[in-house]
Formats: sequence, structure tokens, C-alpha cells
Amino acid sequence: QVQLQESGPGLVKPSETLSLTCTVSGASIRSYFWNWIRQPAGKGLEWIGRVYGSGNTNYIPSLKSRVTMSLDTSKNQFSLRLTSVTAADTAVYYCASSKRGYMDVWGKGTTVTVSS
Amino acid sequence: EIVMMQSPATLSVSLGERVILSCRASQSVATNLAWYQQKPGQAPRLLIYGASTRATGIPARFSGSGSGTEFTLTISSLQSEDFAVYYCQHYNNWPPLTFGGGTKVEIK
Repeated sequence: QVQLQESGPGLVKPSETLSLTCTVSGASIRSYFWNWIRQPAGKGLEWIGRVYGSGNTNYIPSLKSRVTMSLDTSKNQFSLRLTSVTAADTAVYYCASSKRGYMDVWGKGTTVTVSS
Repeated sequence: EIVMMQSPATLSVSLGERVILSCRASQSVATNLAWYQQKPGQAPRLLIYGASTRATGIPARFSGSGSGTEFTLTISSLQSEDFAVYYCQHYNNWPPLTFGGGTKVEIK
């Protein structure tokens, strides 16, 4: 059974870089698509992007200039980096797995606040 | 980008009622449509994929239908644990993936 767990700083200063990691258990990181989704408080879900087991990536156009996703096969983890953050990036960040585009397994989410 | 629209934003219902939630896509997504349930403080949970296939462990009272641009999620008899926010999401010609704005099912 696949399980995902997000980790990373809960507080990031404006203009700095947000870095999160998702640890995968029960599946190889070389399989499936690995996604990041975020949700501002009281609002809906926004897909940020995905990284495939091969390392290929796709990002939402509005964040493409600031986002990098990557894999660490030795640790069975994937990561998200979002540069030049502002208060608008404050949200709960989820990692999720997908085989065909729908998110079949989600992490519990981690709250990231952008504030000085 | 395909825009997903859900209606209504909020639905007030009583236990045991039949509930029908709507999701519309700005262009055809065939049957590449998923539904999720999210309770407060929890991650979303996959309910339906392929517009009508229940995910593993999802009760039979949840059913999905539709194709193209119009989709519905039906809860045949609302249980107390079903009060939540429901999101639709397309996965046709992606990226990007997009979610609907959600429908909150609350107690009447």
C-alpha cells in the first residue's frame, strides 16, 4: 500500500525559496507520476505540477518560472522547490501519486506560511 | 486550459437524502474525470475516476456519471460521514490538471 509523507519548513520568508520533500513508501519512485497540489486556507485545490519516474516534469504555466520538481531515487523521495515566494504561496501543500492523471494516493499535507 | 465548474457551491441536505452534485468542463474531457471528497483538516480522498468507476473501498452509495462536458456525482442516501467538500478534476489532454471549485455538502 502506497503511503506519502510531506516534510519541510512550515515558515518561509518572502522572496526566499520554499522546499518540500515527499517520502514514498510501498512503491518505487521510478513508477507512476508524482504530483504536488496546494490549497490556500478556505479555498480550492491547485495542481502545481508532476514529476515522472524518468525525471520528466510538467508544471502549471502560472508557476512554471518559479517551480522545480525532482526525484531522489536513492531515498525514494521527490521534491518541490518554489522560488521567490510571496504571501500568495501560503497554503497547505500535498503530494500525491497518479497513474493516469487522477490522484489515487495523497499525503496528509503540510502547511507552509510565507511571512517575515 | 480546461476550466472546471461545480454547482452548487453549497448544498444543505438532510440525512438519508439523495444528493446530486454537478461538474461542467469548458471543453470535452471525454470520461477523464475524477471526484474527490475532502473533510476538514484532511487530504482529499479519491472517490470516482473514469467518470463512473468507484475507487477501492468507496461505498456503493457513491456513483458517478457523464461524459464530454457534463458530469454528476450522486450520493444515494446521505450518511453523517458524507458531510464534506467534493471536488471534480479532469485529466484529459493534461497538463495542466484542473480542479473544480468544490461543492460543500452541509447539514440542513
